[in-house]
Amino acid sequence: QVQLVESGGGLVKPGGSLRLSCVASGFTFSDYYFTWIRQAPGKGLEWVSYISATAATRGNGDSVKGRFSISRDNAKNSVYLQMDSLRVEDTAIYYCARGSTTRLDWFDPWGQGTLVTVSS
Amino acid sequence: EIVMTQSPATLSVSPGESATLSCRASQSVDSNLAWYQQKPGQAPRLLMYGASTRATGIPARFSGSGSGTEFTLTISSLQSEDFAVYYCQQYNYWYTFGQGTKLEIK
Repeated sequence: QVQLVESGGGLVKPGGSLRLSCVASGFTFSDYYFTWIRQAPGKGLEWVSYISATAATRGNGDSVKGRFSISRDNAKNSVYLQMDSLRVEDTAIYYCARGSTTRLDWFDPWGQGTLVTVSS
Repeated sequence: EIVMTQSPATLSVSPGESATLSCRASQSVDSNLAWYQQKPGQAPRLLMYGASTRATGIPARFSGSGSGTEFTLTISSLQSEDFAVYYCQQYNYWYTFGQGTKLEIK
């Protein structure tokens, strides 16, 4: 079945870096857009970043611009989120989700998430 | 940025009754609106897209309506598994979510 599995979360100090991974299965990975969304503890959802099927287009939310970078490896059915210059306010569960084959509209399905904690 | 505002923040309803959740956009998003359900400790699940189209496997007791700036998610004949937090999301211009409505058992 269609499945997304995130990994790479953990505890990091402010100013540090972390790379999240999302491995997909059950569909033709290279056909789809992907996105990262985060959820701070006890809070709502915030869109973070997206990448097109061919990686030709990408975009970031204002709160992470210049610090986070999304990429993908279609040979490994994987999408990544490189997070640099991390701040305490980046603490959240990070979800990977799939878009459509032509654009990123709604997100379906989502992975189970990976927790990133930024603290000294 | 398009701001999405959901109301009420918490809705208390008895099983078997209906629930109506609202979502308002700060500017028109046409019908580019999705709804998600999130249960404790789980990832969000897509319920509705295009404001009124149910996602695969979503029961018919879930219905969505609206366009422009005002949207509604209605859940009829509430089941125990429907009590959760619901989020709306616009995808007309980038992507923003509402703050969520918690649907709790009365």
